[in-house]
Parts: sequence; structure tokens; C-alpha cells
Amino acid sequence: QSALTQPASVSGSPGQSITISCTGTSADVGSYKFVSWYQQHPGKAPKLVIYEVTQRPSGVSDRFSGSKSGNTASLTISGLQSEDEADYFCCAYSGRSSLLFGGGTKVTVL
Amino acid sequence: EVQLVESGGGLVQPGGSLRLSCAVSGFTFDMYSINWVRQAPGRGLEWISYISSRSHTIYYADSVEGRFTVSRDNAKNSLYLHMDSLRHEDTAVYYCARGYRDYIGGAAANDFWGQGTLVTVSS
Repeated sequence: QSALTQPASVSGSPGQSITISCTGTSADVGSYKFVSWYQQHPGKAPKLVIYEVTQRPSGVSDRFSGSKSGNTASLTISGLQSEDEADYFCCAYSGRSSLLFGGGTKVTVL
Repeated sequence: EVQLVESGGGLVQPGGSLRLSCAVSGFTFDMYSINWVRQAPGRGLEWISYISSRSHTIYYADSVEGRFTVSRDNAKNSLYLHMDSLRHEDTAVYYCARGYRDYIGGAAANDFWGQGTLVTVSS
């Protein structure tokens, strides 16, 4: 299966909001609520920040929010902070007994 | 405290075999599914395998199907990934991660991850 499509990079100034898209197909992102987002700092393991499209795990800042429209899921980071600078990956159920990751988006805080 | 600790990585020649282990603590292991996810140097994440809480359901990515075998021993709070016929493109950091739900869709969410173990396939 093909990976999900994410922009290679997104940037914003402190305090601004940014949105990262994750585009799949009607067979995966478009059909199920099973879309997650991960934050990964260099040399560290990924950290779950959004699951099941819109749900935020305990302990994750409410500046992180998720949504979905059609075959595209989105992660929005509000009130951008320096510690948000990291790589972000989406993950979705493929509908065919497998999971798909996006290629990753590097977020830069200007 | 929930912990997952991978071990067993190292340098292996192409065509060789390796077994990774994932030791868990801090939660009831036999209630959770586990995924193996890998990350090649400088690259993105790639899902490679899923195993349900009681090993009833196992899935593999096409890239490793037939070469990798996942298993778990709930009595020992441990998970294993046996890798055969290793290729250069299998070089990566391998992570075990706890699935949020005990079915493949819900396991797209992984709420706890190990620190990873590096596998290098090279002659």
C-alpha cells in the first residue's frame, strides 16, 4: 500500500496556528475514524498526540487538535511554541489489515 | 510506569537472521495489542507488524511478509520479532509500541513506545 501524503515542511511564528494535512484514499482515511498523529523530536521515540481523528490523549496540550474531511485528515497546532518544533507523522488504518504512515512533516518555529 | 524496552539489535550480514525482544512492564500485557514500527536512518515511520493481545490475530506489512515472524509470551511480559533473510533495506531503528485498542484499526493509535533498537544490515 502507498504511504499517506503529507507536506514535507510547515512553518510558523510563535503564537500562530499551523495545520498539517494527511491525504489518503476513500479506502483508508476516508472510510474509518482510525487516524492518529505522532510528534517526534530528533533521536526520540514518537509520541501520540491525536488518536481516532479528534481525540487527545491525557497529558497532551489542548493546543493540538485533529479533524477530517473526506480523504484528508488534519492536525492543527494552535499558539505555536518553540517546543512544537519536531517531525509529525499521521497514521491510518488501511482497511486491508495493515496500518499506513504518512511520510512526515517537519514543523519549524520561526 | 509503563515501559517497553527493545533489545537484540546489531550488525548482521545480508541474508542473515536476528531476533528482537521487547520487554514490557507497568501494565497488564495480555490486555493490549502491540505493533512493531521501524524507521530507516533519516526516514519516516513504517509499520511492519501487529499482534493482538492473545496472539489470535497477526498481520505483516508486504515488505516483511514471509521473512519476519512476530510472537509474544504473555507469561513473560515479552514480545519478539524474528527476522530472516535480512536485506540492506531492513536497516532501521525498530520500535515496539502498545496499541490503544485490541484490534488493528484501533491500534493505529500507539500510546506508549520503546526507545528503539538499531538493526544494521551490511556486509
